[in-house]
Amino acid sequence: RKEVEQDPGPFNVPEGATVAFNCTYSNSASQSFFWYRQDCRKEPKLLMSVYSSGNEDGRFTAQLNRASQYISLLIRDSKLSDSATYLCVVNNRGGGFKTIFGAGTRLFVKA
Amino acid sequence: NAGVTQTPKFRILKIGQSMTLQCTQDMNHNYMYWYRQDPGMGLKLIYYSVGAGITDKGEVPNGYNVSRSTTEDFPLRLELAAPSQTSVYFCASSPRVGQGHQPQHFGDGTRLSIL
Repeated sequence: RKEVEQDPGPFNVPEGATVAFNCTYSNSASQSFFWYRQDCRKEPKLLMSVYSSGNEDGRFTAQLNRASQYISLLIRDSKLSDSATYLCVVNNRGGGFKTIFGAGTRLFVKA
Repeated sequence: NAGVTQTPKFRILKIGQSMTLQCTQDMNHNYMYWYRQDPGMGLKLIYYSVGAGITDKGEVPNGYNVSRSTTEDFPLRLELAAPSQTSVYFCASSPRVGQGHQPQHFGDGTRLSIL
């Protein structure tokens, strides 16, 4: 089992749609969680951190479920510019420092 | 602030050649990382450093070496280039705040082809 798993997609949605991505992680000792966005042939960029209580940034909402070991990202009112690959990132500690990137979920938003 | 700067942006090497990928950051971050990303795949950690003089292996260190003589610089060395090392290489850095993990800031990447 991969340490961080994401549905690779692609998700094809129309503008204005709501879309949700899930990510599961295997290490129950994982400490911090992030969502990154990566455009084609570009570097990953931080979208948002994920906090235990859940957090929102404009049209984006991130949630963490430690009991079930998954995090989610909800995008409301999708824009064409949201088309990208969304990476789930998990940081572990214990036996050394470890950051694990998921392989990413591709999103295409169409007019 | 320039952030994380990687050079070169593109490079073609012949099998067996060596080269150094440069990475420098001006944010005074303690942590620095090197990743590789193969087409359609996720990032894999090659090496990381938690401060000057300290480096450690990541998931895929074979065929690479690093050094961290200063806080700002974290070069990645390929000694004997092999076709399997054709990839996009990203350098990243993050601050250390208490015991928490902070998000990483990435450079633009170096696209390396080994022929």
